Amino acid sequence: ETGVTQTPRHLVMGMTNKKSLKCEQHLGHNAMYWYKQSAKKPLELMFVYSLEERVENNSVPSRFSPECPNSSHLFLHLHTLQPEDSALYLCASSQEVQRGADTQYFGPGTRLTVL
Amino acid sequence: GESVGLHLPTLSVQEGDNSIINCAYSNSASDYFIWYKQESGKGPQFIIDIRSNMDKRQGQRVTVLLNKTVKHLSLQIAATQPGDSAVYFCAENRRYSTLTFGKGTMLLVSP
Repeated sequence: ETGVTQTPRHLVMGMTNKKSLKCEQHLGHNAMYWYKQSAKKPLELMFVYSLEERVENNSVPSRFSPECPNSSHLFLHLHTLQPEDSALYLCASSQEVQRGADTQYFGPGTRLTVL
Repeated sequence: GESVGLHLPTLSVQEGDNSIINCAYSNSASDYFIWYKQESGKGPQFIIDIRSNMDKRQGQRVTVLLNKTVKHLSLQIAATQPGDSAVYFCAENRRYSTLTFGKGTMLLVSP
């Protein structure tokens, strides 16, 4: 609907597993973002990419590893996660990463459960 | 500290009523504000935005008001419908496009 797709929509994994989340945007945007949404907490920005270059990393544990091979695709590689990492992971894109009005468009999210 | 927050966690209204959702922000340097709607099982959806050089902006059935004096933002939904039931977030743009979100307000519309 928004031009941002995410797969898988649901993921259950054990703490020793390695998995990846995928995001694709069809809007021709140059910036992409990963957010974490936990119950009863505001959206937390994790990573920001501009033209495939990481421009912000908000003190995210190294068990989360982003990858942006091109401006349309964004991955989040997951490794040795903890149960408290269970959350909805949202991808977003915007035209540019710049100060000022630049609306972000969100994908539907991946509901992650870590057992 | 700097924050973007919502006054009411849940707002219950009757279908056809007008709804008002409030948001407070603390950073006077913020120059762009957005309201998002998030339905169950979906990502946040852009509703309406406003720049700091404006105090009011209208969309289809929605109006955003910005009071910079008291650092307050509100979203008004006219003739609320059951399909408007969702969580509503305000977001503040401080630098680049790094949005800071409030916790959200749940709007419940009963027929």
